[in-house]
Amino acid sequence: EAGVAQSPRYKIIEKRQSVAFWCNPISGHATLYWYQQILGQGPKLLIQFQNNGVVDDSQLPKDRFSAERLKGVDSTLKIQPAKLEDSAVYLCASSLSGGSLDNEQFFGPGTRLTVL
Amino acid sequence: DAKTTQPTSMDCAEGRAANLPCNHSTISGNEYVYWYRQIHSQGPQYIIHGLKNNETNEMASLIITEDRKSSTLILPHATLRDTAVYYCIVRVASNQGGKLIFGQGTELSVKP
Repeated sequence: EAGVAQSPRYKIIEKRQSVAFWCNPISGHATLYWYQQILGQGPKLLIQFQNNGVVDDSQLPKDRFSAERLKGVDSTLKIQPAKLEDSAVYLCASSLSGGSLDNEQFFGPGTRLTVL
Repeated sequence: DAKTTQPTSMDCAEGRAANLPCNHSTISGNEYVYWYRQIHSQGPQYIIHGLKNNETNEMASLIITEDRKSSTLILPHATLRDTAVYYCIVRVASNQGGKLIFGQGTELSVKP
């Protein structure tokens, strides 16, 4: 079974530039998550989708971050404009359904973003 | 904020059991204890979860105290590949998916 795919794996940009990350979840997984992991800390949830609807985006800095999952499969996370403090690893995860506690989350390898 | 407290780091000799403690004194009755681990440069990986009873799978065992205020993850025969950050997470029950709130975790170093 293929895992969660993310691209690119690494990205270096200058502050005030824009960047986009892509995620392809495990086939059949209805729930998709984006996490931000700053160096030395645990991952922090940015946004959760159930199919193509947003379940939780309370921690998403909406003035600069946006995410979409138009067809309920792939998802993109965008930052515009980037700030130095956005340097982090952006992790995508998916699960069969958000509705059951037994549905573990499967994580992708992440995209390491460096903002100069 | 994370509702769990874990030691920052631990060492374990290869082949010995690794016992990773976690305190979750404010856990609610409908909250499960989950363990994930994150090997360097990889995404977190699910290990095990439980509510009240002890649980075991091919990766580890989870021992939850009777009052549910603490738990211990046991890796019975640690190998060098078990070197990782281990996260203990208390997950809220929700029909729309319980959010995973990660703390700092325990950095486990397995040494030869």
